Amino acid sequence: QVQLVQSGAEVKKPGASVKVSCKASGYIFTSYYLHWVRQAPGQGLEWMGIISPNGGSTSYSQKFHGRVTMTRDTSTSTVYMELSSLTSEDTAVYYCAREPSDGAHVWFDPWGQGTLVRVSS
Amino acid sequence: DIQMTQSPSSLSASVGDRVTITCRASHSTSNYLNWYQQKPGKAPKVLIYATSSLHSGVPSRFSGSGSGTDFTLTISNLQPEDSATYFCQQTYNTPYTFGQGTKLEI
Repeated sequence: QVQLVQSGAEVKKPGASVKVSCKASGYIFTSYYLHWVRQAPGQGLEWMGIISPNGGSTSYSQKFHGRVTMTRDTSTSTVYMELSSLTSEDTAVYYCAREPSDGAHVWFDPWGQGTLVRVSS
Repeated sequence: DIQMTQSPSSLSASVGDRVTITCRASHSTSNYLNWYQQKPGKAPKVLIYATSSLHSGVPSRFSGSGSGTDFTLTISNLQPEDSATYFCQQTYNTPYTFGQGTKLEI
């Protein structure tokens, strides 16, 4: 079955960087875009950006521009999201999600299980 | 960015009831509107995509409607397992913004 498995929880100090991985299985990795979405504790969902596993092209939310980098490794069917210059406001669960399409519309399915990133001194 | 506003923020209903959650966009999103269900400690799951298309495996008591800036998610014959938080999402353009969520208590 289609599955996205993310790396484990992280604790980072302010100013540090974090790199979260998302390993895809059960489908052709290069056939679907992948997104990153985060959710601060008790808060809503915030879209961070998208990566094309086929060519590696990316598009980031302006909010994270300059701080976020999304990459992929086709040999392991894994995408990565690195966020730098962390502050306490980056404490959140980070999700990857695949983007199916009906040719016009897109949605996110499935989602990874989430990775908690806690930023604390 | 397109702002998505959901109402109500929370609601309580009983088994067998019918509830409606509203999502309003700050600009037209045509029919590029999805609905997700999230249970505590779990990742969201898609219920409805393209405003009214039911995702595979989702019970038919879930339905969606709307266009432009106003959309609704309706859950009929509420079941205990429908207790969750529901989010709308526009995919008309990036950034793909979400509503703030509606917490449904059964």
